[in-house]
Formats: sequence, structure tokens, C-alpha cells
Amino acid sequence: GAVVSQHPSWVICKSGTSVKIECRSLDFQATTMFWYRQFPKQSLMLMATSNEGSKATYEQGVEKDKFLINHASLTLSTLTVTSAHPEDSSFYICSVSAGTGNQPQHFGDGTRLSIL
Amino acid sequence: GENVEQHPSTLSVQEGDSAVIKCTYSDSASNYFPWYKQELGKRPQLIIDIRSNVGEKKDQRIAVTLNKTAKHFSLHITETQPEDSAVYFCAAPSNYKLTFGKGTLLTVNP
Repeated sequence: GAVVSQHPSWVICKSGTSVKIECRSLDFQATTMFWYRQFPKQSLMLMATSNEGSKATYEQGVEKDKFLINHASLTLSTLTVTSAHPEDSSFYICSVSAGTGNQPQHFGDGTRLSIL
Repeated sequence: GENVEQHPSTLSVQEGDSAVIKCTYSDSASNYFPWYKQELGKRPQLIIDIRSNVGEKKDQRIAVTLNKTAKHFSLHITETQPEDSAVYFCAAPSNYKLTFGKGTLLTVNP
């Protein structure tokens, strides 16, 4: 399966700070990456689909101006949480699909974001 | 969009027993059904998946069955071991996006 690297693994910062999370596909050229958010003891909720060279597609209820996604190359997508507040504290995980159509998704290690 | 229901939410078994987790889905066009295992604080890991052209798939102690008519699929773990303890998620696709079930916390007691 695809090898996915996510960085950083853990961030603690003050309210109002913007935080950038990187997701890299190390062995596969990914035209599409997915960003999920997972609150404690809950399931994975898709936030947005990141498309290389074009705008991301956001799920209903996800603010695109708050969660900025950039997918400038086939191996890197970034998620920036702008002006983060305590309610944004969560586990953010990216994934890469190994091909077109319905294929397995392989996840990065996740980023635990804590906003004080 | 897809709606995925997963049961039970928690499951406790004795080591060596079998565990079964069930999921239902709503989109009859869905044709790929993965199962993920997530240990505390770690990434979800794909453990087995099945496509709609088969009814069952097995990999050592893990098996998945699919009933397309009834729109449900199940994960079966036999001879459970303490290291099987984790949260398990089923998922189903719609428009190349995965919708996940709410998860099942499996505890295997030694």
C-alpha cells in the first residue's frame, strides 16, 4: 500500500495561531488526498478532498476559509488551520488513495492539535 | 450520500473466542468495503477489504462477508488475542469518498 508521511505529529499552540499540517505521499503520485478530523472516541469525519492543481472540495459544514488546503504537487498536500481556537483541538489525519475509483485508502500517522 | 451503521459500539470477548462486527450501508452502488483497525492514538490501518463481486474473503484469522442484497457486511475475527484489542471501523464508498461507521471498541480479555 501507499506510504504516507504526516508532519507534525503533535502541536500545542495558543488560541489565534495558525497551524500548518503536511501530508506527503512517499511512494505514490497522489492526485487526490483526503483530510479527516477525529474527535476523542469518535469516528473519522471527512473534512475535504484535496485535488492536485485545483481547489479542494469541502464537506458540508466545513469552513473553507478556516481550513485552507493546498495540493501543489503530486506528493504533498497541506492543511492550514487558521486562527485556531480550543474547539479546533482534534486529531487530524490525511489519507491517500492508491488509484482511481474505489481503492484502499492509506492513512498518515495523524497530527494531534491542542489549542490552549 | 452514503449512510453507514455499525454495531455493536463495544464488544468484550475472552481470548480465543470469536468476535463479529456488523455494518449496513445505504448506497446500492457501493462496491468496495474496507475494514480498518485503529489502536489508541495511532493511524487507522487497513486489515481487510472486499469488493462486491465476491461474498466472502478470508485472511488468516480475519474474514469479511458481504450480502449485497441486504446491504450489509461483517467482520469476523476468530481465535481472538489480546493484541486484537482496538477500535474497528467499517467503511463504504460514495463518489470515491469513504464514509466510516462509528466504530467498535473490541476488548479481548486474557
